[in-house]
Amino acid sequence: AQSVTQLGSHVSVSEGALVLLRCNYSSSVPPYLFWYVQYPNQGLQLLLKYTSAATLVKGINGFEAEFKKSETSFHLTKPSAHMSDAAEYFCAVRVYGGSQGNLIFGKGTKLSVKP
Amino acid sequence: EAQVTQNPRYLITVTGKKLTVTCSQNMNHEYMSWYRQDPGLGLRQIYYSMNVEVTDKGDVPEGYKVSRKEKRNFPLILESPSPNQTSLYFCASSSPLRGSGYEQYFGPGTRLTVT
Repeated sequence: AQSVTQLGSHVSVSEGALVLLRCNYSSSVPPYLFWYVQYPNQGLQLLLKYTSAATLVKGINGFEAEFKKSETSFHLTKPSAHMSDAAEYFCAVRVYGGSQGNLIFGKGTKLSVKP
Repeated sequence: EAQVTQNPRYLITVTGKKLTVTCSQNMNHEYMSWYRQDPGLGLRQIYYSMNVEVTDKGDVPEGYKVSRKEKRNFPLILESPSPNQTSLYFCASSSPLRGSGYEQYFGPGTRLTVT
């Protein structure tokens, strides 16, 4: 069975600092992995996805994530935080088997950006 | 414009009064799903549908019903709402085709309050 763990429910960084949001997954087969962002009072928007091509995946708004099979990780990074990055971020893994198409989501990490 | 729409966006109701939240997508997606989002719990799947007339329970189906009579629509029905169903609800859709990357597209959310 697949699962996702996001370390840290809240992360606070200063504007201009590195953003690092952690995600570890569990999957017995090569995973499809996703990061979604939810801005206040909005729905979820896809930031980036890993579908077994390049291990370093670039997304929107300057975010990227690196798939590391040995560490079962898919951490999200951004070199320099902007105030507009304040949001909640969700990591997700695609389910294989009978309910293909389902995603399992982590509990989310709320990012605060201090001026 | 490709999108998932939900109505209503906000709803306040009383215990026991049946309600329906509509969801519609214009991307011809086979797969659709309903989630609820609660603080600290992330997104939990309520029901999903692999195609017309094919639905199945997610992780938290109690107190909810769904139907999929048309490919584009996937309404969520609360026959007798209770206060513990106060939550933020999201509808999502995706294509099961490998080339799509299995990305899920989310609606804007429906904030439901049951008093």
